[in-house]
Amino acid sequence: AQSVTQLGSHVSVSEGALVLLRCNYSSSVPPYLFWYVQYPNQGLQLLLKYTSAATLVKGINGFEAEFKKSETSFHLTKPSAHMSDAAEYFCAVSVGGNDMRFGAGTRLTVKP
Amino acid sequence: DTAVSQTPKYLVTQMGNDKSIKCEQNLGHDTMYWYKQDSKKFLKIMFSYNNKELIINETVPNRFSPKSPDKAHLNLHINSLELGDSAVYFCASSLSQGDTEAFFGQGTRLTVV
Repeated sequence: AQSVTQLGSHVSVSEGALVLLRCNYSSSVPPYLFWYVQYPNQGLQLLLKYTSAATLVKGINGFEAEFKKSETSFHLTKPSAHMSDAAEYFCAVSVGGNDMRFGAGTRLTVKP
Repeated sequence: DTAVSQTPKYLVTQMGNDKSIKCEQNLGHDTMYWYKQDSKKFLKIMFSYNNKELIINETVPNRFSPKSPDKAHLNLHINSLELGDSAVYFCASSLSQGDTEAFFGQGTRLTVV
């Protein structure tokens, strides 16, 4: 079955610094990849998704991710962190449409 | 006009009890899921239904029984609750296409005492 691995359970950056959250996937067929954000005591909200149309995907709140097949990666970046970006971030993979699998999550802390 | 709604939002119950969590989506999706999120925030898929048919049944104890009366509803019934069942349970829905995202409910925080 498909899976994703998120490197780093906790990432801390200063406000205004680059945000880089890492995600690597494993899939026997071309995957669809997603990044979700979860704020405290809330459900998951989609940030962006890769569906093979373009390898560089732009999402909400200034986030983007690049699909790199050679590296089996789909890392999430944001040029300048904002305090409001502090949350839990999840990478997810889907292949068959009925089976979406999530990584273990990365908690992003933003220091003033 | 909530897209995916689940009730209750909080549930505190004693060990051994039986409880249900309800989920409804008004998005016209044909796939619904239940996920369990533990205290370390790990999201584990439990079940996936497509048009009321069970598609995925992960290694979940058979005390957990999902029921889908129609494709807009997926309820989760839990028998003989155990301390380890304490978690946040999320319902989600999507179209049955791999490139479409899942929409999540707000979660049900289950505490077994």
